[in-house]
Amino acid sequence: SQQGEEDPQALSIQEGENATMNCSYKTSINNLQWYRQNSGRGLVHLILIRSNEREKHSGRLRVTLDTSKKSSSLLITASRAADTASYFCATDAYGGKLTFGTGTQLKVEL
Amino acid sequence: DVKVTQSSRYLVKRTGEKVFLECVQDMDHENMFWYRQDPGLGLRLIYFSYDVKMKEKGDIPEGYSVSREKKERFSLILESASTNQTSMYLCASSLWDSLANTEAFFGQGTRLTVV
Repeated sequence: SQQGEEDPQALSIQEGENATMNCSYKTSINNLQWYRQNSGRGLVHLILIRSNEREKHSGRLRVTLDTSKKSSSLLITASRAADTASYFCATDAYGGKLTFGTGTQLKVEL
Repeated sequence: DVKVTQSSRYLVKRTGEKVFLECVQDMDHENMFWYRQDPGLGLRLIYFSYDVKMKEKGDIPEGYSVSREKKERFSLILESASTNQTSMYLCASSLWDSLANTEAFFGQGTRLTVV
């Protein structure tokens, strides 16, 4: 069964705006990860947040994790056209076995 | 840099054929995965391997089998291909890490069409 569910399914914003994507999951986790996929390609790891962390930053990315609500959010600040891609959250419940959600399609328009 | 290589980018097979998808990683990772990706369904785990000859079923193992005879290689086998197995197949690998640092590295994917 799908562990993570992203919201929204699709998001369209203007360049320079911030983009926020949310992920909900069902069971306890060791960590939660976010990945990016450009059209028709493999996924690229963006950021990992452990279950004992609440917030993490990497460049223009900010991830939060609320284990009490079993949810996470990914914020991309000052979006660029090159950020256009699909974004997936993935949960690791044990041993690195990753379960992915359905993804958010982000379109950043000039 | 970690490299995960899938043997084919595009593959066309006939219904009933036995199909082999190969994946090789070069970073001595314990974990390897096969996912399939379909529009609107995200990535669904077919099989997971955490060591040589060790495997675990994912969410959709029916119609598939896997082989991991060497640590670096993980093969996905479609015993008798059917049209509903037309999909994008993604292989990934990761380190098993007790500190939960389990970032996965993905291959470029194999787009399989069964006709």
